[in-house]
Amino acid sequence: SQKIEQNSEALNIQEGKTATLTCNYTNYSPAYLQWYRQDPGRGPVFLLLIRENEKEKRKERLKVTFDTTLKQSLFHITASQPADSATYLCALDMGGDYKLSFGAGTTVTVRA
Amino acid sequence: KAGVTQTPRYLIKTRGQQVTLSCSPISGHRSVSWYQQTPGQGLQFLFEYFSETQRNKGNFPGRFSGRQFSNSRSEMNVSTLELGDSALYLCASTEAGANVLTFGAGSRLTVL
Repeated sequence: SQKIEQNSEALNIQEGKTATLTCNYTNYSPAYLQWYRQDPGRGPVFLLLIRENEKEKRKERLKVTFDTTLKQSLFHITASQPADSATYLCALDMGGDYKLSFGAGTTVTVRA
Repeated sequence: KAGVTQTPRYLIKTRGQQVTLSCSPISGHRSVSWYQQTPGQGLQFLFEYFSETQRNKGNFPGRFSGRQFSNSRSEMNVSTLELGDSALYLCASTEAGANVLTFGAGSRLTVL
């Protein structure tokens, strides 16, 4: 069965630094991969989608890479701010429309 | 546009009871998905509906069921509640042809 692993449960970084989160997967070749942000008590919010034929995607201070050979995606938050503190989830399509498999998430805390 | 609305936001039930949760998708979105989120298992896919038809189903027992109405609103039902059903139940809607989920704030179910 598919397995998705996000590198760590928690990541603490200093404001202004770059946070790098990892999402590894096995036993599957997704057509695309997504990243979501979730704040306590709220539902996840979509951030970025990257397709299997794309190497990199950017949105403001966010950057996502997708290496289908390594079966890995990296999610970068550059010039991090305390407002970036949240849990970040990676999600892969499971071969059916609108059916996503989520990683456990990495909780990022940015210290001022 | 109004977002995805889930009701109720919080509810407490006892073992053996049943519960019905409601979800109103974004206007124009015809696909509605349901996910269960727990600290131990993370986000797990329950089922997805499109035009009143269940298109995808996750690995949950038959106690978990859902339906979608002609106006795209959806309900999910859990019968014979167990302690392990305590979770945040998230509904998400998707625009036709898109792969991105827009989540509601969730319904927090506590089973005593």
